[in-house]
Amino acid sequence: EPEVTQTPSHQVTQMGQEVILRCVPISNHLYFYWYRQILGQKVEFLVSFYNNEISEKSEIFDDQFSVERPDGSNFTLKIRSTKLEDSAMYFCASSVVRSGTDTQYFGPGTRLTVL
Amino acid sequence: SQQGEEDPQALSIQEGENATMNCSYKTSINNLQWYRQNSGRGLVHLILIRSNEREKHSGRLRVTLDTSKKSSSLLITASRAADTASYFCATVWYNNNDMRFGAGTRLTVKP
Repeated sequence: EPEVTQTPSHQVTQMGQEVILRCVPISNHLYFYWYRQILGQKVEFLVSFYNNEISEKSEIFDDQFSVERPDGSNFTLKIRSTKLEDSAMYFCASSVVRSGTDTQYFGPGTRLTVL
Repeated sequence: SQQGEEDPQALSIQEGENATMNCSYKTSINNLQWYRQNSGRGLVHLILIRSNEREKHSGRLRVTLDTSKKSSSLLITASRAADTASYFCATVWYNNNDMRFGAGTRLTVKP
């Protein structure tokens, strides 16, 4: 069964460094998403992406965040200058159509630790 | 906020018993989805229920939706120790493409 994959599974970085989290969505899906979950807290929406553009973003997704689909398979989340409070699990998800009418399938997550 | 809010926050039952978790939300929604998360792992989709549906079943799972009360419930029948996990409801608002999660219910099923 097709699944969303994410790399790396765990990323440790120093505060102020840039990180890129990678995702490979399910191949026939058209909508892509990033979420984060700070330890012990709820899953929070960051951004949705369709047709090479951001379609929605939350208040969390500020100028230090960016997303990109550099090729036909990868979907990346870049954090330009990491802060301690960026430590969290980051989940990528994808869906065939808009999430209003379709299920989102989640990857296993990348645990980001900022020291 | 359109976010769903689950209750109870934590639920502990014996294997074989039924578990009921509730979710309330504040805005009109397009659909509501339930997810399971095992500790430190990813989110597994359980059921999607649309705003024009009132009940859906999937195996031992039963989900209801009451749009007049802006609430949903997830029932797991004949629970097993392997059902131990956190359960989240997530709502999708009309004309939006994002999904907002509640804080989750932590279910513990004792063998």
